[in-house]
Amino acid sequence: QVQVVESGGGVVQPGRSLRLSCAPSGFAFSNYGMHWVRQAPGKGLEWVAVISYDGSNKYYADSVKGRFTISRDNSKNTLSLQMNSLRAEDTAVYYCAKEFLGWGAFDIWGQGTMVTVSS
Amino acid sequence: DIQMTQSPSSLSASVGDRVTITCRASQPISNFLHWYQQRPGKAPKLLIYAVSSLQSGVPSRFSGSGSGTDFTLTISSLQPEDFATYYCQQSFTTLLAFGGGTKVEIK
Repeated sequence: QVQVVESGGGVVQPGRSLRLSCAPSGFAFSNYGMHWVRQAPGKGLEWVAVISYDGSNKYYADSVKGRFTISRDNSKNTLSLQMNSLRAEDTAVYYCAKEFLGWGAFDIWGQGTMVTVSS
Repeated sequence: DIQMTQSPSSLSASVGDRVTITCRASQPISNFLHWYQQRPGKAPKLLIYAVSSLQSGVPSRFSGSGSGTDFTLTISSLQPEDFATYYCQQSFTTLLAFGGGTKVEIK
């Protein structure tokens, strides 16, 4: 079935790095823009980053710009989020999400992977 | 950046009630407005895209309307499975944004 599965979350100290991965299946990954969205404990949704279908365009929320890097490998069907210089406020569940028909909405979400930044 | 403001932040309602949630954008966003439902411990689910288009499989009791900066999600007859948090989201700009959420609780 159509799904995305995130992995790579964990507990990391402030200032360190972590790399999240997303494995899509059931759809033509190389045809769709992909996003990362996060949700801090007990808080609302926050859009983090987007990468176009071919990887040529990337955009980031101001809160992560310069620290996070989104990438994709269409030959290996993988999406990644490299997170550097992590802060306590980056603690959240991180969701990978597929873009819907170019609308900038998200029709397929993963179950999320928890990132905890703590000393 | 475009800011999205939802109201109310929470509401209490009974099964069968008509529920309306409002979302306001800080500037006009054409029809690039979408709604999601999130149940506790679960990923969000797309309900409505492009203001009023119902996503496949979503019950017809959900509807969306609005234009410019003001938008509404309506649940015509609240069902037990509808108790959840609802989010609006704009995609008019490349920097996407969600509203703060509206938690619908059982009265």
